[in-house]
Amino acid sequence: DIVMTQSPESLAVSLGERATINCKSSQSVLNSINNKNYLAWYQQKAGQPPKVLIYWASTRESGVPDRVSGSGSGADFTLTISSLQAEDVATYYCQQYHIAPWTFGQGTKVEIK
Amino acid sequence: QVQLQESGPRLVKPSETLSLTCTVSSDSIKNYFLSWIRQPPGKGLEWIGYIYKDGSTRYNPSLKSRVSVSVDRSKNQFSLKVTSATAADTAVYYCASGSAAAWELFHYWGQGTTVTVSS
Repeated sequence: DIVMTQSPESLAVSLGERATINCKSSQSVLNSINNKNYLAWYQQKAGQPPKVLIYWASTRESGVPDRVSGSGSGADFTLTISSLQAEDVATYYCQQYHIAPWTFGQGTKVEIK
Repeated sequence: QVQLQESGPRLVKPSETLSLTCTVSSDSIKNYFLSWIRQPPGKGLEWIGYIYKDGSTRYNPSLKSRVSVSVDRSKNQFSLKVTSATAADTAVYYCASGSAAAWELFHYWGQGTTVTVSS
C-alpha cells in the first residue's frame, strides 16, 4: 500500500497569513505514461463530507478560491493557502488515486491563531 | 451537479451484516469509479472499495474478506455490504463518485450516514 504522510498534524495561522501543508507518499504517484500525479487534496469542515480542492496535484477544482494552490510531483506535495480566511478552518487530507488501495494522509487540522 | 445519497440501517448488531445503498442522481453510475469511504468517530478517512463501469471491483485489503460492492444501474444505485460487523466498523460511511475530470477521484460525495455497531 502507498502510505501518505502529512505534516504538520495541526497548524495555527493568523488571519491573512500563509498556511502550508506537506504530504509525502511512500512511492511515486506520478504516472509516467500521461505525466500526471494522481494526488488530490480535500477539505473537511466539521460535520460535513470532504470536498475536493485540488486534483492532479495542482488543478484547482471549480469554485475553489485562487488563494488555495497545490504543487509538487512524484512523492512530495504541498497545499498552500496564501492568505488564510476564517472559512478555511478545517481538516485537510491528501489522497493518492494512483494505485489501489487508494489511501489518505492522516489529516492536518488548520485553526486560526 | 451530481448528487449522491446514502441510505440504510443506522444501528447494526455485532456479527451481523452492515448494508448501505447509495443513490446517484446522474449518469455517473455508468461512467466512473463509484466508491465507499468511511470515517470512524474523530478519525481520518479510509477507502473501503469501488466498483467500476465494467463491473470490476477492488477492495481495501484491510477489509477485503468482509466487503462487497455491487451496482444496480436500472435504479442508479450501488451498494455496500460488510459482513461480521464489529464495534470497529462504527463510522460515518460516505459514497463517492468520480467525474469526467478524473474517473478515480472522489469528486462528488454523499452527506454520509452514521452507522453504529452495538448490541
